[in-house]
Parts: sequence; structure tokens; C-alpha cells
Amino acid sequence: DSGVTQTPKHLITATGQRVTLRCSPRSGDLSVYWYQQSLDQGLQFLIQYYNGEERAKGNILERFSAQQFPDLHSELNLSSLELGDSALYFCASAPCSGGVETQYFGPGTRLLVL
Amino acid sequence: AQSVTQLGSHVSVSEGALVLLRCNYSSSVPPYLFWYVQYPNQGLQLLLKYTSAATLVKGINGFEAEFKKSETSFHLTKPSAHMSDAAEYFCAVVRSSASKIIFGSGTRLSIRP
Repeated sequence: DSGVTQTPKHLITATGQRVTLRCSPRSGDLSVYWYQQSLDQGLQFLIQYYNGEERAKGNILERFSAQQFPDLHSELNLSSLELGDSALYFCASAPCSGGVETQYFGPGTRLLVL
Repeated sequence: AQSVTQLGSHVSVSEGALVLLRCNYSSSVPPYLFWYVQYPNQGLQLLLKYTSAATLVKGINGFEAEFKKSETSFHLTKPSAHMSDAAEYFCAVVRSSASKIIFGSGTRLSIRP
């Protein structure tokens, strides 16, 4: 158990819909990273937040957005969903801003868009 | 742009045999390099990392990797495979002090009894 929790574990929705994925970092960690793992694109970094502020951006679509709240949990919002958005979405947390090498991964949310 | 290439999407070895998973990186400056393991239905777990301190890096579960600048490689090895090593392995690269991590396409390791 990494100490990072993600909800829900599974999510099934339809094209055009909007969903919110939630991530709670390990106690004391200030950074949250979001990743997408799909058959087509592999494992991709989406976005990073540090202490409530966006710190780095990867291959995140404009239809996707994220935020980190004062209690440090983070949410990833996916809108206007397409079939290709079906994937496993991971979050990871780390103590520091540049701590990508110290990140711990959550178990992921599996999203299926029908 | 940085990238990593993992040769072989699937590797199968016998229990007790040598495990060799290949990773080559493309970077204009010495990067940080990582190997992660993903067990079925789980998140990624860090196996080991190279941060320029030593070229031979020892990780968890008996794995190690050697950074070879001349070959731009960071292959993962384990002398003797165990059934519990069956998983997907990802090589990754990040420029020092950066947050963006680039993953390879992954190699699925199967262990034959």
C-alpha cells in the first residue's frame, strides 16, 4: 500500500459525459501528479500540482482539467468524453515540487467510455 | 526531446534464469533514469533509479541496472527469475530538476515454471 488513495476504482460512462477522479496524497506530500495509461498512448504524464498550484504540464487535453485543494487532495476532471479517453488514470504524490523520483503511485481509476 | 525505447514488448524466461530487460534513452544531457514495475491491477512501484551517483544501481527485489553512457542504455537485470517477478516493467527518463517524466512503452515479463 503506497498510501495514495484514488476513487473511484472503476468508472463506466458514455461519450460526451463529464467525470471527476479523486486522489488523496500520502500524508505530508505536497505534490500530486496525474498520469494516463492507455493501450494506444502508453503511460503519459498529464499534469502536476504542488501545494495547490499547477507546477508542470504534460500531454493533457484541453477537455481535461485538474486542481488541488487546500487539504491537498486533487481532482482530475474529464469532460466531453470520447471513446479514446478510456484508460487507467493514476495519481502519484511526492513530498516536494521536484520530487518526481520520490513519487508514490496510487492504484488507479479505470475509466471506460462507451 | 527526451525519449526512452524499450526493446521487446514481451519477454519470457524460465524460473531461475537471467532476466534482461532493455532500455535505451535519448537525451542531450545526462538524465535521471528509472525502472518501475507494475503488477496486475496495481499502480507503479519504483524499482531503482539512476541519478549520476554510480553507474551500477541496485534496486529492490534483486534487480539492478547499469548506466552506460557510451551505449545510451540502462538495461535492467536480475540473475535468477522468480515467479513473483511476472509483471510489466517501465523504463523512464526525466531531466534533472524537471517534473516531466517520459515512460517507455513497457515490457511484460512472463516467468515459465
